[in-house]
Amino acid sequence: QQQVKQSPQSLIVQKGGIPIINCAYENTAFDYFPWYQQFPGKGPALLIAIRPDVSEKKEGRFTISFNKSAKQFSLHIMDSQPGDSATYFCAASTAAGNKLTFGGGTRVLVKP
Amino acid sequence: NAGVTQTPKFQVLKTGQSMTLQCAQDMNHEYMSWYRQDPGMGLRLIHYSVGAGITDQGEVPNGYNVSRSTTEDFPLRLLSAAPSQTSVYFCASRGRDGYGYTFGSGTRLTVV
Repeated sequence: QQQVKQSPQSLIVQKGGIPIINCAYENTAFDYFPWYQQFPGKGPALLIAIRPDVSEKKEGRFTISFNKSAKQFSLHIMDSQPGDSATYFCAASTAAGNKLTFGGGTRVLVKP
Repeated sequence: NAGVTQTPKFQVLKTGQSMTLQCAQDMNHEYMSWYRQDPGMGLRLIHYSVGAGITDQGEVPNGYNVSRSTTEDFPLRLLSAAPSQTSVYFCASRGRDGYGYTFGSGTRLTVV
């Protein structure tokens, strides 16, 4: 049973476009929702995270939107650049934060 | 450099062999975890630890053992390797007051 479902599996956009990645969760006890960025041959790196008491969070060109009632959250990459080409994972955890549950990942390719 | 160090980076095992994947962190983090990454399935939690001497099972613990004798080290043991354990393994850590996990660069394991 996959508790965090992520879509799409892959995405191709032109430079300057806005890739959007969506995630849905089932466990209402989740209250911390991070996004990780992973480049080939590297480990995932924390990109941005949100708690359910806010509906949107921005850090640079990355924005998380959160819809608590729908149990969905999404990542938008504004003014995307070729250097943003990577695999992105959404994740969720409970307050204790000991266990992260990851989505299946989205491979994003930004063409020059 | 501070961070999470995993060794080896690559390993090929024969079915039935045992081995230990090493993980060390120098950030004095209490929480440490082991994940495996398989295509299309994101990262799945194998075992985790909330401090020295304390470990617990994650989502996919079968075939793996862990121990945490020191804060710094969290080795993962494969008892009798099987082809289904072919994967990329990541170790991660975080401090008690933080939420973002720091990941190592991974160990790519192939079981033939």
